Amino acid sequence: KAGVTQTPRYLIKTRGQQVTLSCSPISGHRSVSWYQQTPGQGLQFLFEYFSETQRNKGNFPGRFSGRQFSNSRSEMNVSTLELGDSALYLCASSSRQGAEKLFFGSGTQLSVL
Amino acid sequence: LAKTTQPISMDSYEGQEVNITCSHNNIATNDYITWYQQFPSQGPRFIIQGYKTKVTNEVASLFIPADRKSSTLSLPRVSLSDTAVYYCLVGERGTGFQKLVFGTGTRLLVSP
Repeated sequence: KAGVTQTPRYLIKTRGQQVTLSCSPISGHRSVSWYQQTPGQGLQFLFEYFSETQRNKGNFPGRFSGRQFSNSRSEMNVSTLELGDSALYLCASSSRQGAEKLFFGSGTQLSVL
Repeated sequence: LAKTTQPISMDSYEGQEVNITCSHNNIATNDYITWYQQFPSQGPRFIIQGYKTKVTNEVASLFIPADRKSSTLSLPRVSLSDTAVYYCLVGERGTGFQKLVFGTGTRLLVSP
């Protein structure tokens, strides 16, 4: 069974641009969560999607948004990029909403210049 | 909302047993405690999960006292490859939904 796949692996953008990250969950998993990881703030929860609906959201500004498609694949979008958005963005899938057992992808390393 | 507190870092030597404790004073009745391991530039990897007493698998043991306000991850006979960051995760509920909160993580360094 294939694991969680995140694309792209690395991304370089400039301030003010927007970016879209993609996540394909493990087959059969309907819940997808997104996390931001930085050296200073650690691992922070962004949002969780289940059955194409956002079920929970962390404390991030509205520039961070996401969506989930009918095949459970998910995308995360960050608009008007700031330098502080440079981070490793991780996607995790699970078999049910709010599950504590998550399967993480390798992440997308975003650098904002 | 349940918060977790872990030591920031720990040092050990190969072959020793390592115990990492996580504090979660406000854990809810239906919450489970889960530990993850993370290597640099990789996503966290599930290690072990428990609700109460003791759980053991091929990688680690998890000890949870009766009041469930803390838990201890035990790694037997660590090797250099166990050098990683370890996160304690407690499932929590907020505004009708479950919101997952990772702890600060404990950076374990295993030396020869």
